[in-house]
Amino acid sequence: QKEVEQDPGPLSVPEGAIVSLNCTYSNSAFQYFMWYRQYSRKGPELLMYTYSSGNKEDGRFTAQVDKSSKYISLFIRDSQPSDSATYLCASEGDTGFQKLVFGTGTRLLVSP
Amino acid sequence: GAGVSQSPRYKVAKRGQDVALRCDPISGHVSLFWYQQALGQGPEFLTYFQNEAQLDKSGLPSDRFFAERPEGSVSTLKIQRTQQEDSAVYLCASSLITTDPLDTQYFGPGTRLTVL
Repeated sequence: QKEVEQDPGPLSVPEGAIVSLNCTYSNSAFQYFMWYRQYSRKGPELLMYTYSSGNKEDGRFTAQVDKSSKYISLFIRDSQPSDSATYLCASEGDTGFQKLVFGTGTRLLVSP
Repeated sequence: GAGVSQSPRYKVAKRGQDVALRCDPISGHVSLFWYQQALGQGPEFLTYFQNEAQLDKSGLPSDRFFAERPEGSVSTLKIQRTQQEDSAVYLCASSLITTDPLDTQYFGPGTRLTVL
């Protein structure tokens, strides 16, 4: 079992929709959770991170962590075609921040 | 530099050939990471450098994989006697500070290796 699990999609939505992307994790010691966005043929770029449980908002993006259920979510409001990409959730490995553990990524397609 | 750069961007190798993949991190970044990303998968950790010291190589899949960062800046990932299962995108990332939990890893565009 992978330490971070993610539905690979693809997830197709019309422009303007609210998107919900989700991950689960197995290691209860994980405390920091990140969302990376990866465009085709590009490297991942950090979107946001959260610490422990709770919500964090940045513009159209909201990250949410529920440690009791080991569930991580990313919500995108008013989705745009430019949001079409693969979204990767990640957490620190068992040795700290030097070794990120990624999910498989969910491919998102936002149609105009 | 403006970001992490990697070369070559694409590499085709015949099975059994040796390859060398280069990473130029962001200037001044202390930490450097290599990840392997198979098709349809997330990146998987290979190895980590702090300056020129290789502090963690637990993710290297076999002794055919070797990484170095001799002067604490540019890094090279070498794969000897390539096999078809080595086909993947190899991502390099760098970060400024090693111990700050908020330190961000900045990724390069990757080198896509295809072994025939």
